Amino acid sequence: DGGITQSPKYLFRKEGQNVTLSCEQNLNHDAMYWYRQDPGQGLRLIYYSQIVNDFQKGDIAEGYSVSREKKESFPLTVTSAQKNPTAFYLCASTTGAATNEKLFFGSGTQLSVL
Amino acid sequence: AQRVTQPEKLLSVFKGAPVELKCNYSYSGSPELFWYVQYSRQRLQLLLRHISRESIKGFTADLNKGETSFHLKKPFAQEEDSAMYYCALSPISGGYNKLIFGAGTRLAVHP
Repeated sequence: DGGITQSPKYLFRKEGQNVTLSCEQNLNHDAMYWYRQDPGQGLRLIYYSQIVNDFQKGDIAEGYSVSREKKESFPLTVTSAQKNPTAFYLCASTTGAATNEKLFFGSGTQLSVL
Repeated sequence: AQRVTQPEKLLSVFKGAPVELKCNYSYSGSPELFWYVQYSRQRLQLLLRHISRESIKGFTADLNKGETSFHLKKPFAQEEDSAMYYCALSPISGGYNKLIFGAGTRLAVHP
């Protein structure tokens, strides 16, 4: 079954804790993205990666970090520096970085602060 | 600044009625525009893109550069069209697909 898998579905973070959200794809896509979704605000780009071992900051990268050591995987770490982490996080991928490429989305992770 | 505005948070219509979900954008160049849809308990997925000039599930959208709009239309709404709809813009500069999304409009089609 091809697609993008995000885990966990729900995640709780304690004060001062770093947490990592997993995103794996078996679509052989080069480009991967992390979006944050807040109620009434649509999706905002956190980080994106065009190719393995390369990634770029999006519009709201502060308090987040990523890695792209494998083509299939693009984990997102929400650090303690992110003061308002409660949100729904969506991972996406595309075949390449062309501007008209269709994005394939995961099912999302809901992160909440304890 | 690059921005996508969807002025309606909720659009409620009856089955068979025409539907128009509004989308306005702010971008200095020639953008590429998309509509994404999220049905209940499903993933966000592409509905259509302006470059393809296609009709998907009876929906069409025309890019109006003069009015900087990309409204989504369907002549006769169906109950299965009920979903969250997001308009998105892809800036051409930089060559990366960094979509800018609107806040979304929830379409509710009543029987």
